[in-house]
Amino acid sequence: NAGVTQTPKFQVLKTGQSMTLQCAQDMNHNSMYWYRQDPGMGLRLIYYSASEGTTDKGEVPNGYNVSRLNKREFSLRLESAAPSQTSVYFCATQTGGTEAFFGQGTRLTVV
Amino acid sequence: AQTVTQSQPEMSVQEAETVTLSCTYDTSENNYYLFWYKQPPSRQMILVIRQEAYKQQNATENRFSVNFQKAAKSFSLKISDSQLGDTAMYFCAFRRTTDSWGKLQFGAGTQVVVTP
Repeated sequence: NAGVTQTPKFQVLKTGQSMTLQCAQDMNHNSMYWYRQDPGMGLRLIYYSASEGTTDKGEVPNGYNVSRLNKREFSLRLESAAPSQTSVYFCATQTGGTEAFFGQGTRLTVV
Repeated sequence: AQTVTQSQPEMSVQEAETVTLSCTYDTSENNYYLFWYKQPPSRQMILVIRQEAYKQQNATENRFSVNFQKAAKSFSLKISDSQLGDTAMYFCAFRRTTDSWGKLQFGAGTQVVVTP
């Protein structure tokens, strides 16, 4: 019973490089989310997908793109990484009035 | 827009003692959900407790309980009989019930350190 799986768990990028964070869920939930966590700021929503085929911006979308590949998978792409994108990234999923379920997070460092 | 405020960056408590974490929020909504999440050093986000605003009774989960004051827009978490495994960052979070997409608004977090 995997729940929400994120890959990779750790990544170091050079400024200007690109990468994609992968997220997959086996909970059959409609909604998926990408958050970033920074010290003193809690978790902030980057993008979300209410259902397969739809995506919307959250609070801090600049510098990111997303793809809802199918109901299970929701990826986050950094086209040209910047040091300001150094953070811990969480994928989450939810349905109805239940709580959100989170992946284990990706610690990304941009140097 | 909703905001969630956790005014205590860090709290220390001895084993077996009680600690209370504060959380206030700002909203014009009447119905909503409030959550406390725990994040241990493993980084995993774990739901501790959930409260629905239309319920007046305070939620409890074993050693964890909340004091929900709707008029004051306050949602504090009490950890009783603290254990070393309670050492973690605790986040308060808000979700509108009218938001069917379930977006969460988080506070900045409170680091709880339980000492022997």
